[in-house]
Amino acid sequence: GENVEQHPSTLSVQEGDSAVIKCTYSDSASNYFPWYKQELGKRPQLIIDIRSNVGEKKDQRIAVTLNKTAKHFSLHITETQPEDSAVYFCAASIYKYIFGTGTRLKVLA
Amino acid sequence: GAVVSQHPSRVICKSGTSVKIECRSLDFQATTMFWYRQFPKKSLMLMATSNEGSKATYEQGVEKDKFLINHASLTLSTLTVTSAHPEDSSFYICSARDPGVNEQFFGPGTRLTVL
Repeated sequence: GENVEQHPSTLSVQEGDSAVIKCTYSDSASNYFPWYKQELGKRPQLIIDIRSNVGEKKDQRIAVTLNKTAKHFSLHITETQPEDSAVYFCAASIYKYIFGTGTRLKVLA
Repeated sequence: GAVVSQHPSRVICKSGTSVKIECRSLDFQATTMFWYRQFPKKSLMLMATSNEGSKATYEQGVEKDKFLINHASLTLSTLTVTSAHPEDSSFYICSARDPGVNEQFFGPGTRLTVL
């Protein structure tokens, strides 16, 4: 079955700097890759997603890139703000979602 | 976006009792719902896929007789944790798949504490 690895597990950046989180997946049939932000005790919130027919997608300060050949995709957050601090999860999907292990992002003011 | 509700949001029960958690899609019909479990500081682990009108499909290592899933209508799936034990204490989250947009929408989660 699908396996998703996510790195790093923790990431601290200074406010205004960029943050990058990387994921790799094992099943080449996966065709949908969402990214979620989760605050403590809350449901995951979709922040951006990308489908396998696209290589890059951007939404204001957030961007996602996908390399199907290498089977990896990355989340890029620019101009980070303290409110970006949370746990971020990637997922790979054909139909059901398989989540990565999560990255705890801390943005230092 | 689509709205998914979950009830209860928090439940505390004694060891050996059963607990039922409801997941509802409020503004769309979900032929498929998913149940996840999340332990503290861990990722969401898919437990089972719930299909309306048919038996749920469980992930490897998840006991189907312990985690009973019923998806009797297009807007409601229930997860019953039978004979709960302290190790079942976790955050249980459902999601519902909106076929119109081919995307899953998550419920707010249920915090289960088994004493």
